[in-house]
Amino acid sequence: GAVVSQHPSRVICKSGTSVKIECRSLDFQATTMFWYRQFPKQSLMLMATSNEGSKATYEQGVEKDKFLINHASLTLSTLTVTSAHPEDSSFYICSATRDKNTEAFFGQGTRLTVV
Amino acid sequence: AQSVTQLGSHVSVSEGALVLLRCNYSSSVPPYLFWYVQYPNQGLQLLLKYTSAATLVKGINGFEAEFKKSETSFHLTKPSAHMSDAAEYFCAVTDQAGTALIFGKGTTLSVSS
Repeated sequence: GAVVSQHPSRVICKSGTSVKIECRSLDFQATTMFWYRQFPKQSLMLMATSNEGSKATYEQGVEKDKFLINHASLTLSTLTVTSAHPEDSSFYICSATRDKNTEAFFGQGTRLTVV
Repeated sequence: AQSVTQLGSHVSVSEGALVLLRCNYSSSVPPYLFWYVQYPNQGLQLLLKYTSAATLVKGINGFEAEFKKSETSFHLTKPSAHMSDAAEYFCAVTDQAGTALIFGKGTTLSVSS
C-alpha cells in the first residue's frame, strides 16, 4: 500500500509558540490530504481538507487562523498550530489520497503537547 | 448525512474466544466502510474495507467483517482472540473511497489470558 509519513511523531512546545506538522505522501501524488484531531480516548474528528494548490476547507468550529494548512505540492501538506495553548494538546493525524476513487492512507500521527 | 455507531465502548474477551465488535452505519448512498486498529500513541492501521464488492470481507490478522445492507451493519469478527489484538478499533464510513472518513467513537478491545 501507499505510504504516508508524518513528522514529527511527538512535539512539546511552550504556550504561545507555533508548531508545524508535516504530512508527506512518499510514493504517490496526493491530490487531497485530510487533517484529523483526536483527543485522548476519543474518536478522530476531521479538521480540514486540503487540495494541492488551493485553500483548505475547514470543518465547522475549526479556527482557520489558528490551524494553518498549506498543501503546496502534491506530496506535502503542513499543519501549523499558531499561538498554541494547552487545550491544543492532542493527537493530530493526516491522511492522503490520489483521487476520490482511491482510499486515503493515514500517517502515523503527531502527539502535540503544549506546556 | 452519514454516521457510524459503534455499540460498546469496551469489549473484553478471553484469549482464544470469539471477538465481535459492532458497527452500524447510516448513509443515503451506497457506503464505503472501513475498520481500523490503533495501538497506543500510534496511527491507524487498516484492517479491512468494504467497497461494494463481496459482502464478506477478509482483512489482516484473521479479522473479517460482513456488510449487511438490511441491517445497516458492518460488524468485525475474529474467531480466536490473541493477546496482541488488544487495541482500539474504529469503524468508519464515507460515500466515496477517497473522501474524508466519518469515524465511530471507537471500541477498546481487552484480551485476558
